[in-house]
Amino acid sequence: AQRVTQPEKLLSVFKGAPVELKCNYSYSGSPELFWYVQYSRQRLQLLLRHISRESIKGFTADLNKGETSFHLKKPFAQEEDSAMYYCALRGDYKLSFGAGTTVTVRA
Amino acid sequence: GAGVSQTPSNKVTEKGKYVELRCDPISGHTALYWYRQSLGQGPEFLIYFQGTGAADDSGLPNDRFFAVRPEGSVSTLKIQRTERGDSAVYLCASAKGGGRSYEQYFGPGTRLTVT
Repeated sequence: AQRVTQPEKLLSVFKGAPVELKCNYSYSGSPELFWYVQYSRQRLQLLLRHISRESIKGFTADLNKGETSFHLKKPFAQEEDSAMYYCALRGDYKLSFGAGTTVTVRA
Repeated sequence: GAGVSQTPSNKVTEKGKYVELRCDPISGHTALYWYRQSLGQGPEFLIYFQGTGAADDSGLPNDRFFAVRPEGSVSTLKIQRTERGDSAVYLCASAKGGGRSYEQYFGPGTRLTVT
């Protein structure tokens, strides 16, 4: 079974402060991990995937297989980062999502 | 090019009625997925098509739910005898292929409200 847990429903930070969104997963095989983002009134879109190992919009995420975690981090939050963030896992083809974290960046 | 489109964007129906939700994938995408997102939850997998056939329908909650993709492009999700618990946002996604290499692109969703 595939399972993704995002323990924080809401996260509020000040502009310029670091932000970290937690994600833990459960999967018996070798999963692919993703972060998706949904800005206000927009569709769900891919933010980053662990295999690409790149930084998108200043965000990074490292897959920790020992702790089965894939936390999303950004050192300096911007107001435009306010959005809903979903961690997702793919074993074969279908995605399993966490419940999401709403991030609000305050000026 | 155009992204994934879904119609209608909103649908309000009475309990017990039949509804159809439509998904137009990105042209050339052979894989198509339906997900359901209930309030306060992340999307949950319903069904996966590769071409015209349903490769995995294990996420469909019961036999009131059915989906088709007769020509390998547009897909329709059909819900019979709707219940209030069916109220959710129904998302469609498409991908160039069905394997792990392919990014899924999501549509804007159809918000279904059963009264």
